[in-house]
Amino acid sequence: GQQVMQIPQYQHVQEGEDFTTYCNSSTTLSNIQWYKQRPGGHPVFLIQLVKSGEVKKQKRLTFQFGEAKKNSSLHITATQTTDVGTYFCAGILRWGGNMLTFGGGTRLMVKP
Amino acid sequence: DGGITQSPKYLFRKEGQNVTLSCEQNLNHDAMYWYRQDPGQGLRLIYYSQIVNDFQKGDIAEGYSVSREKKESFPLTVTSAQKNPTAFYLCASSIVWTSSYTDTQYFGPGTRLTVL
Repeated sequence: GQQVMQIPQYQHVQEGEDFTTYCNSSTTLSNIQWYKQRPGGHPVFLIQLVKSGEVKKQKRLTFQFGEAKKNSSLHITATQTTDVGTYFCAGILRWGGNMLTFGGGTRLMVKP
Repeated sequence: DGGITQSPKYLFRKEGQNVTLSCEQNLNHDAMYWYRQDPGQGLRLIYYSQIVNDFQKGDIAEGYSVSREKKESFPLTVTSAQKNPTAFYLCASSIVWTSSYTDTQYFGPGTRLTVL
């Protein structure tokens, strides 16, 4: 079964509201990556987190990697219509070989 | 321009036919991957290749085959044995793949396959 879970599956927000998606793994992750896929497009790499407790920021986006390296989150402050898309986390399951496992994604919809 | 190209963008096939999806990269990446994406779903790994003339099965390899005769090319064949082939197929590549670190994956634009 899927070993990397994301919640929520869908999120509607009003433009200007904040948004958070959570990524949880059943096993410890060596690292975690985040990707964004616009409607009709392909996934585009956003960021990679490697260290326990790591926090990285990209303008309005804040990424966190949990202390136990089993969870991660992406927070968007003051969403804009350009943030619309599906956000995926992906990680290497430490005891699962070296394949990248993707979460199911969170689809963000922003009302102008 | 450097990048990954996939062709065709849309593909229609009759049941029982094999079809080959193209994936070419000029990024000089060693590793290449094929994923399948179903509507509203995440990405599932079909096959991956770390080096020329070598490839490994992913999570859902049944009904698919690949080849890696050249570094820049990693074609995927969807065979008639694949029970539900209608999906969005994404090819990706990365610089390296080690036992504990995965480099950024660069994705192609994808091919939407529909079985009629």
